[in-house]
Amino acid sequence: GESVGLHLPTLSVQEGDNSIINCAYSNSASDYFIWYKQESGKGPQFIIDIRSNMDKRQGQRVTVLLNKTVKHLSLQIAATQPGDSAVYFCAENAGGTSYGKLTFGQGTILTVHP
Amino acid sequence: GEEVAQTPKHLVRGEGQKAKLYCAPIKGHSYVFWYQQVLKNEFKFLISFQNENVFDETGMPKERFSAKCLPNSPCSLEIQATKLEDSAVYFCASSQFTNTGELFFGEGSRLTVL
Repeated sequence: GESVGLHLPTLSVQEGDNSIINCAYSNSASDYFIWYKQESGKGPQFIIDIRSNMDKRQGQRVTVLLNKTVKHLSLQIAATQPGDSAVYFCAENAGGTSYGKLTFGQGTILTVHP
Repeated sequence: GEEVAQTPKHLVRGEGQKAKLYCAPIKGHSYVFWYQQVLKNEFKFLISFQNENVFDETGMPKERFSAKCLPNSPCSLEIQATKLEDSAVYFCASSQFTNTGELFFGEGSRLTVL
């Protein structure tokens, strides 16, 4: 089937818990990072972004942390809800003149149990 | 429109046949991007447009893939002589500005090559 050989990192949490999804990036020259959420059968949906001159940025229930020293990005979701269940992708600017040209990381499956 | 509209949702082609996918970006968005998602995980940037002009085509397999964004018409992605490995979901996204990775994705077109 389609999923043979595909093993994405998974995170299972209870409703109301906080979730932390991690991502390692490889290009030390990347200066812009984004988190996307993809629900089953849909296209990715923008969550939050951060530029390399920052190490933290907060949105509504979400926080992105950037550690350039170890090339690590994380997404924190507060008070996780069942509607947060999805695959989460980090992405970085792949270079060029457009920030829309992105290199996506491997997704993480988040499952929220009621 | 208020959403990126992609057609068809599903397309099945025999190996060697042609496939053509369409995308109507959000009205007012000047930038259009095509991404390929294989095995529900890896996203690959293919090409971007600024209005009807190719902005970045570094991700396109140039031998068989072509794309256009003509005035007053949906954008299109065409694959000549499809191969089994072209089976994927093809996402179109649009954005208003080039200095952001906040892309608005359509729901994708699933291409199955038999």
